Order: sequence, then C-alpha cells, then structure tokens
Amino acid sequence: GAVVSQHPSWVICKSGTSVKIECRSLDFQATTMFWYRQFPKQSLMLMATSNEGSKATYEQGVEKDKFLINHASLTLSTLTVTSAHPEDSSFYICSAGRDRGLEETQYFGPGTRLLVL
Amino acid sequence: SQQGEEDPQALSIQEGENATMNCSYKTSINNLQWYRQNSGRGLVHLILIRSNEREKHSGRLRVTLDTSKKSSSLLITASRAADTASYFCATFRGGYSTLTFGKGTMLLVSP
Repeated sequence: GAVVSQHPSWVICKSGTSVKIECRSLDFQATTMFWYRQFPKQSLMLMATSNEGSKATYEQGVEKDKFLINHASLTLSTLTVTSAHPEDSSFYICSAGRDRGLEETQYFGPGTRLLVL
Repeated sequence: SQQGEEDPQALSIQEGENATMNCSYKTSINNLQWYRQNSGRGLVHLILIRSNEREKHSGRLRVTLDTSKKSSSLLITASRAADTASYFCATFRGGYSTLTFGKGTMLLVSP
C-alpha cells in the first residue's frame, strides 16, 4: 500500500509555456501532500505543503504565482509551473502523508523531470 | 533549510562489504527517517527511528540514534550491487512541522 504516482514523468517544453504536474495517492487518502524540487546530486528542497481544500503553504523564497498548487481532493494535488524558464528545469517530486502531525512518514512519487528549452 | 548533514558524501565499496552512513542534525526531533533514492527516481522510505529509541533493525539495515550527539547512522550489511543509490536522512520535529532532508550519501556497490 501507500503508492503515489506522478504524471508526466518527463516534460520538455519551450520557455514561456506552463506545465502541469499531477500527483496522486493511489490507495490511500492523503491528508497532506508535499512538493519538492531537486537539482542534480543535491538534496530535496521543500517548495510547498498542501492540504486538501485549503491554500498551500509555500516555503520562503518560493514564488506562489510561479508555482501554483491545487489540492482538489484527498488523492490529487497538482503543481503548475507558470511561464517556465530554463532555470526552472529540475526534478520535481511530490509526496503524500497519511499521519499528519504524528510520525510524518511520507510516500514519494517517482518524480517528474522538467526541461525548459 | 536543510538540517541534516550526511557523511560521507560518497561511498564506494565492494559487494559483500558493509556500508555505514552518518547523519547529524541540529534541533530536537520527534523521529529520524532514512530514505533511499535510485538515480532519477523518487524516494523510498527505509526505516524510522523515534527519539526514544537507540537502535532499530530491518533486514540488512541497522539504524542507531544518539540524541545527545544529535546523530544517527545507517548500516547496510552484506551490501549488494542493487544497494547502489543515494541515501538521505530526514528529521521530523513533530506537530505540524515538515520533514527536513539532509544532503545525502551516494553509495556505489561494485560487483
């Protein structure tokens, strides 16, 4: 159990376009979903935390208008990179948690690699 | 900000050898978790150790936690080529805080 999927796994787009990434918890209801960004050979940087039906909480330095997060249901969260530029190229990973405030084990999606040309 | 610091940054060993990775952190924690990431993939949760625990085992994994030194170690015994991956520690402070990941250790196990 505790499977998280992400779609798409790869995105190549032109500068200025918007890209939407979906994160789904397949066999459980996720009270909270998290979006991370990872540069090559580096650790994960938390971008934002989203709870179903409420606004996302963004980490310091992350532009809310640039990275739009929607958490419409307990099994789906989306990240939209608006007007993407080459510096937005990165590996984006989502995760879902079931036990908010308890042990906070997170279940990760396989990641989405974004390349902006 | 990243709280955990793993060392070594990279570790290269032969199959059958043991691999030890260390993690240090700065604040008090509720628990510490270890995750594994294969190249270009998401993270897989390996093991969680609570702040009141000192050692935990899961298969070939052994995790220790020393809260007085704010450090943890992950030991993989009898390593296999398939263990090649990056390993991250992550700390959880409790309540509605979030996981804070370390920088990771890249482990290469050669056949």
